[in-house]
Amino acid sequence: EDKVVQSPLSLVVHEGDTVTLNCSYEVTNFRSLLWYKQEKKAPTFLFMLTSSGIEKKSGRLSSILDKKELFSILNITATQTGDSAVYLCAVEAGGTSYGKLTFGQGTILTVHP
Amino acid sequence: DVKVTQSSRYLVKRTGEKVFLECVQDMDHENMFWYRQDPGLGLRLIYFSYDVKMKEKGDIPEGYSVSREKKERFSLILESASTNQTSMYLCASSFPGGTAKNIQYFGAGTRLSVL
Repeated sequence: EDKVVQSPLSLVVHEGDTVTLNCSYEVTNFRSLLWYKQEKKAPTFLFMLTSSGIEKKSGRLSSILDKKELFSILNITATQTGDSAVYLCAVEAGGTSYGKLTFGQGTILTVHP
Repeated sequence: DVKVTQSSRYLVKRTGEKVFLECVQDMDHENMFWYRQDPGLGLRLIYFSYDVKMKEKGDIPEGYSVSREKKERFSLILESASTNQTSMYLCASSFPGGTAKNIQYFGAGTRLSVL
């Protein structure tokens, strides 16, 4: 059974802090790892990682994948209150091309002014 | 931009009722998915579909069925709603090729309460 575990489950920081969110996985036939941000609405896509060691970056957010150690991290620098959200990690695995994802529990990030 | 629309944001139903949750996407995506989201459990896949009239069970299909008669529409059906089906339901769609291969795009969710 494919498994994705995120840590911490929740995190409270102040504006300006840097945070690191973790995602580890145990899956058969890994294809890709995706990060999403969910505010009080639809999860929105952040990054997709398929190759180990390559950093994806968008503004203050960045992510890297370690396929050997089976984990990914999502970094947010200089946090803002607008970064408060649930961050979801998901892994695509298996032998089909249906794009089925297995999600972690999510990390609830709260950024105080 | 991809748009995935779920017919209701909030729904209140009674135990035993038949419930339909509708999802429509406007990007001609082959794949469509239904999840439920519960605190501490993340998103769990109920059913998915990779083509019209094709469906596959996800991880928690019990108590649910689905229908995909048209490519853009994927319906989730609760044949006889029970209180343990109170949850947030999320629909998603994805395209199996190209640069956005298998990135899932989500609707805003339907918060269902079964009383």
